[in-house]
Amino acid sequence: QVQLQESGPGLVKPSETLSLTCAVSGYSISSGYYWGWIRQPPGKGLEWIGSIYHSGSTYYNPSLKSRVTISVDTSKNQFSLKLSSVTAADTAVYYCARGSRYQLPPALYWGQGTLVTVSS
Amino acid sequence: QSALTQPASVSGSPGQSITISCTGTSSDVGGYNYVSWYQQHPGKAPKLMIYDVSKRPSGVSNRFSGSKSGNTASLTISGLQAEDEADYYCCSYAGSSSWVFGGGTKLTVL
Repeated sequence: QVQLQESGPGLVKPSETLSLTCAVSGYSISSGYYWGWIRQPPGKGLEWIGSIYHSGSTYYNPSLKSRVTISVDTSKNQFSLKLSSVTAADTAVYYCARGSRYQLPPALYWGQGTLVTVSS
Repeated sequence: QSALTQPASVSGSPGQSITISCTGTSSDVGGYNYVSWYQQHPGKAPKLMIYDVSKRPSGVSNRFSGSKSGNTASLTISGLQAEDEADYYCCSYAGSSSWVFGGGTKLTVL
């Protein structure tokens, strides 16, 4: 059973960098599939942030591309999100997810989500 | 890249069928057969219900079905049950390796 678990600071100051990690269990990232991040501001809808293939190829939301970096660490079986120059608009629940062998979305497996608040 | 358009809310009685629409453009919904639908209960992570317009992941009830016509995709839930009450989101490929979600629809089971 594939399981994903997000971790990272729950509070980030404006203009700083948000950093989250997604630990994967029950499946080896190096074996394939797409992995990625989706966020949801409080009381609002979902937003695709970006995806990464196990080989390291990345795909980002054009509206966030200049601030986002997604990377994978196959030795630790985890992948990470960095979002720079954050503002209050980046306050959201951040989900990590696993997609198909061809793309993400669709996301079949999800982490429980972690709330990140941007505030001084 | 604008969000896909979904009705804010829909409702139905137990046993009835309801349909949730998801309207985009020829650059997203109408241009690709990569529409997926997610169910989200309060405080929970979304759950994939439909992918590639009309395919169901293993374990998802066959009461859930998806379709597409032109720039509009639809999710139909038949035999409505109390546990179907949730928020539903559509998502479509939008070209250039990017994806866009709909604004979400709150389903109320009366």
